[in-house]
Amino acid sequence: KAGVTQTPRYLIKTRGQQVTLSCSPISGHRSVSWYQQTPGQGLQFLFEYFSETQRNKGNFPGRFSGRQFSNSRSEMNVSTLELGDSALYLCASSWNRGMNTEAFFGQGTRLTVV
Amino acid sequence: QKEVEQNSGPLSVPEGAIASLNCTYSDRGSQSFFWYRQYSGKSPELIMFIYSNGDKEDGRFTAQLNKASQYVSLLIRDSQPSDSATYLCAVNVYAYGNNRLAFGKGNQVVVIP
Repeated sequence: KAGVTQTPRYLIKTRGQQVTLSCSPISGHRSVSWYQQTPGQGLQFLFEYFSETQRNKGNFPGRFSGRQFSNSRSEMNVSTLELGDSALYLCASSWNRGMNTEAFFGQGTRLTVV
Repeated sequence: QKEVEQNSGPLSVPEGAIASLNCTYSDRGSQSFFWYRQYSGKSPELIMFIYSNGDKEDGRFTAQLNKASQYVSLLIRDSQPSDSATYLCAVNVYAYGNNRLAFGKGNQVVVIP
């Protein structure tokens, strides 16, 4: 069974540009959550999508957005990139929502903003 | 108060010893708790989850949960050099009608051969 697939693995962008990251969840999983990981802040929750709808959102500015498609694949977009957006972006898939549901991470996309 | 706290600094343990990691959480309503292992430069990997008070064992790993004390721990028995990694505690928190995972900053474990 294939795991969570994130593309691309690495990105270098310039300040002010925008970027789109992609996440394909484990087959049969319907929930996709996105996290930002930095050395200083650790893993921070960005948002969760389920059945093509954003269900939950963390404390990030509106420059961070996402969507989910009917096949559960999800994309995350960051507009007007800032140097502080440099981070490892991780998506996690779960078969369902709710408390007792395990989440599995993809390999992440390493974004560097210069 | 942080949602999930892992306060210990890097933990060095000799090979074959027991590594003990601790985590406290602030949301009394949390029902599910997870331990992830993250190797340097890699993504987090789920190694244990626990939903009920008490102990749960899986191979060399034991998770312990005490909801009254809002405390969850991870024991790694017979530590191996391959266990050298950062261990992240994650707690399912409920707010504004939704659940999400909140993570601690992690504990680095170094197993010395």
